[in-house]
Amino acid sequence: AQSVTQLDSHVSVSEGTPVLLRCNYSSSYSPSLFWYVQHPNKGLQLLLKYTSAATLVKGINGFEAEFKKSETSFHLTKPSAHMSDAAEYFCVVTQTGNQFYFGTGTSLTVIP
Amino acid sequence: EAGVAQSPRYKIIEKRQSVAFWCNPISGHATLYWYQQILGQGPKLLIQFQNNGVVDDSQLPKDRFSAERLKGVDSTLKIQPAKLEDSAVYLCASSLLAGGPNEQFFGPGTRLTVL
Repeated sequence: AQSVTQLDSHVSVSEGTPVLLRCNYSSSYSPSLFWYVQHPNKGLQLLLKYTSAATLVKGINGFEAEFKKSETSFHLTKPSAHMSDAAEYFCVVTQTGNQFYFGTGTSLTVIP
Repeated sequence: EAGVAQSPRYKIIEKRQSVAFWCNPISGHATLYWYQQILGQGPKLLIQFQNNGVVDDSQLPKDRFSAERLKGVDSTLKIQPAKLEDSAVYLCASSLLAGGPNEQFFGPGTRLTVL
C-alpha cells in the first residue's frame, strides 16, 4: 500500500525566512515522489519530482526536496520565502505510475 | 501551448440529479486522469486513461460514476444520480507519456455543489 502524510496542515513563515514543509511516505517498493503547488483559483502545478536518481531534487522557484529512504521522508524546503509562495502544497507518491496518492495538503502563509 | 480545459467551471444541482463534466487535455497527451478533491482533502484519483483505454478505475464509484474518453482525446465524467457527498472539485489532468511517473498538467477544475 502507498500513502503520504503531510505532517503540518498549516505553516506560517515571515517573508525572507526559510520554508520547511514536511512529507512522509509509505511504499512497498521504490517510490516516485512529487510536490505540487496550488495557488488560489489556479490549477495544480508541478514543483519537482524524485524518480530514483539524485536524492536532492531541485525544482522551480527556488524549491528543493531531499529523498531520505531511511526516514521515509521527502521534505520540501526553500531558503527564503517570498509573498508569492503563499499557496497549498501537496506531496504525491506513486510506485507504478498508475496510482497517484496525494497528501492532505499544507497551506503556506507568508507574513510580510 | 494551450493547457487542460475543463467545463463547466461551476455547477449546482440537487441530489438525485445527473451531471456531466468535460475535459480537453493538452494536444498529444496520451494519458488522462480524473480526480475528486473534497474540501480540505488532497485530490483522489478516480480514473486513468491511456489513449482511449482505462488503466485504472479502482476508486471510481461505478454504481453512479462513469467516464469515457472517445478517440483518445477529450473525456467526459458523469454522475448519475448525484449524492450530497459528491460535492467537490473535479480535476482533470493529462500527461504526455503513457505509464511511468510522469508530470501531470492540471486543468482549473469543476466545482460541483449538490444540494
